[in-house]
Amino acid sequence: TQLLEQSPQFLSIQEGENLTVYCNSSSVFSSLQWYRQEPGEGPVLLVTVVTGGEVKKLKRLTFQFGDARKDSSLHITAAQPGDTGLYLCAGAPRRSGGSNYKLTFGKGTLLTVNP
Amino acid sequence: GAGVSQTPSNKVTEKGKYVELRCDPISGHTALYWYRQSLGQGPEFLIYFQGTGAADDSGLPNDRFFAVRPEGSVSTLKIQRTERGDSAMYLCASSLNGNEQFFGPGTRLTVL
Repeated sequence: TQLLEQSPQFLSIQEGENLTVYCNSSSVFSSLQWYRQEPGEGPVLLVTVVTGGEVKKLKRLTFQFGDARKDSSLHITAAQPGDTGLYLCAGAPRRSGGSNYKLTFGKGTLLTVNP
Repeated sequence: GAGVSQTPSNKVTEKGKYVELRCDPISGHTALYWYRQSLGQGPEFLIYFQGTGAADDSGLPNDRFFAVRPEGSVSTLKIQRTERGDSAMYLCASSLNGNEQFFGPGTRLTVL
């Protein structure tokens, strides 16, 4: 069973601060996705990383995939109240064949950005 | 619509009843996934369809759960003899290339 551990579980910060959340596993993933979820809604895809060591930027968000493709981080610069939400990482397993990309999710980091 | 849609958005039922949850994927997406999310947890995989066939149903918890996708588009998740432990958010996602999955808003199921 592939497990993804996310840390911290909860994070409460002030507007303007920077933060980093982590997603770690002992398993190798073919790709890793980050989602943001608001209460009562489905997860919204933020980014997909595929290559070990890959860094992707989405405005104030920077995503990094570990060299060994076992871990990832999300860094937010100058956080805003609109960034508040549950941040989920999800890994797609390495496949010997086929196209099943069933995702394994972490429990998420619940971020609160206070004005 | 442009995104994945799910109906109903909320479903309250009594223990022992039968429920159906519907998912309408993004047009043209051949892959469809069902996940279940309990409070404080990440989504957990239930079943994956490629076209009309269930390619992987290893996540279905028991034989009370069944899903169909008869025409390769809309899918229905069916739960028989519901139990209180089935209460959760049921999420559907669709994908074109498998690598990126787009989720619907979910159906919140409450079993009393």
